[in-house]
Amino acid sequence: DAGVTQSPTHLIKTRGQQVTLRCSPKSGHDTVSWYQQALGQGPQFIFQYYEEEERQRGNFPDRFSGHQFPNYSSELNVNALLLGDSALYLCASSLRRGASGYTFGSGTRLTVV
Amino acid sequence: AQSVTQLDSQVPVFEEAPVELRCNYSSSVSVYLFWYVQYPNQGLQLLLKYLSGSTLVKGINGFEAEFNKSQTSFHLRKPSVHISDTAEYFCAVSDNRDDKIIFGKGTRLHILP
Repeated sequence: DAGVTQSPTHLIKTRGQQVTLRCSPKSGHDTVSWYQQALGQGPQFIFQYYEEEERQRGNFPDRFSGHQFPNYSSELNVNALLLGDSALYLCASSLRRGASGYTFGSGTRLTVV
Repeated sequence: AQSVTQLDSQVPVFEEAPVELRCNYSSSVSVYLFWYVQYPNQGLQLLLKYLSGSTLVKGINGFEAEFNKSQTSFHLRKPSVHISDTAEYFCAVSDNRDDKIIFGKGTRLHILP
């Protein structure tokens, strides 16, 4: 049974560019939540997608946007990249928005130069 | 709003010695509490969680934690650590809507030979 799959695993982008990160949830899960983990910090909640809609959002600017597809997979898009966007981006899937049932992926390491 | 404070950023401990990682939370409502572990270059793995019932929670890899409502604490303990326990440990909280998890900044457990 596949867990949460994130792609790519590593990515290097230039300031001002745009990036798209992808997440496939664990089989049977229908909710995807995204977190940003800066170096030496705990993960920070970006947003959650359920039934193809953004249901909750953390304290992140509009440059961060997302999408959920009918097969429950999700994308995280970041526009106008800043150096401070360099981080590990984690995807967590769950069932019916239940955070207590989170399963995390291994993350995408984004480096902005 | 909930928040989590992990009182120690790093904890060095000798192999086979006991360890306690401290966590305090703040919330105006009932909470769910979690401990996650992150090994180098990996995502987050759930060690244990408290949702309700017994305040002593047993998790994987010999870890346990005790929910103390009066002290708003959820400290993680292990009676005898192994070199393989070297990792970053995150305490986390969710309110009873269970729709997102808020993480602490993490405690790095460093096992000394």
